[in-house]
Amino acid sequence: AQSVTQPDIHITVSEGASLELRCNYSYGATPYLFWYVQSPGQGLQLLLKYFSGDTLVQGIKGFEAEFKRSQSSFNLRKPSVHWSDAAEYFCAAVLGSSASKIIFGSGTRLSIRP
Amino acid sequence: GAVVSQHPSRVICKSGTSVKIECRSLDFQATTMFWYRQFPKQSLMLMATSNEGSKATYEQGVEKDKFLINHASLTLSTLTVTSAHPEDSSFYICSAPYSDLRETQYFGPGTRLLVL
Repeated sequence: AQSVTQPDIHITVSEGASLELRCNYSYGATPYLFWYVQSPGQGLQLLLKYFSGDTLVQGIKGFEAEFKRSQSSFNLRKPSVHWSDAAEYFCAAVLGSSASKIIFGSGTRLSIRP
Repeated sequence: GAVVSQHPSRVICKSGTSVKIECRSLDFQATTMFWYRQFPKQSLMLMATSNEGSKATYEQGVEKDKFLINHASLTLSTLTVTSAHPEDSSFYICSAPYSDLRETQYFGPGTRLLVL
């Protein structure tokens, strides 16, 4: 079945430390991939997206993600986190040529240790 | 960037009443909008696809008579929760793709519904 998986429910990192949030997809072809961030009580904000081309994509707020076809992964990274990065992060994908809907992963909650 | 608004941001209602939630694309036209439901500490679950000028497409397990969707114009979709019950309490979010779904989807800020 087509799916997006975020294996980490909750991650805590120290402020200033590096971050990597994992995302895997299950689909026969390359989907369109997205990372969104949701702060408490806020709507979703797009961090970055991958459609094709360079497999390392840069996003807003210092985030980047790397698409690895061999691993069916699209992990989100940031070299140095800030306390304001504490939020819920969702990986998402548009699967299929009809591009009829977007599928979200279960989310990873990021906490920042002072 | 494009903006999608939702109204109201939160609503409390009595069990058995109906609640209407509006989703508007403020500076672009959206022939398609999506409605999601998000339970606490969980992901967004797609409920239905709202199509301007035609019937909405509901995901499996979503009651179309319970969650009425009307996409009356290119900038407005409404979700009406009919005869609401406490189990309908949730965070409802809409989104609209700017052009093609492969491009950026813009999400509304969400509506918190509490049914007493």
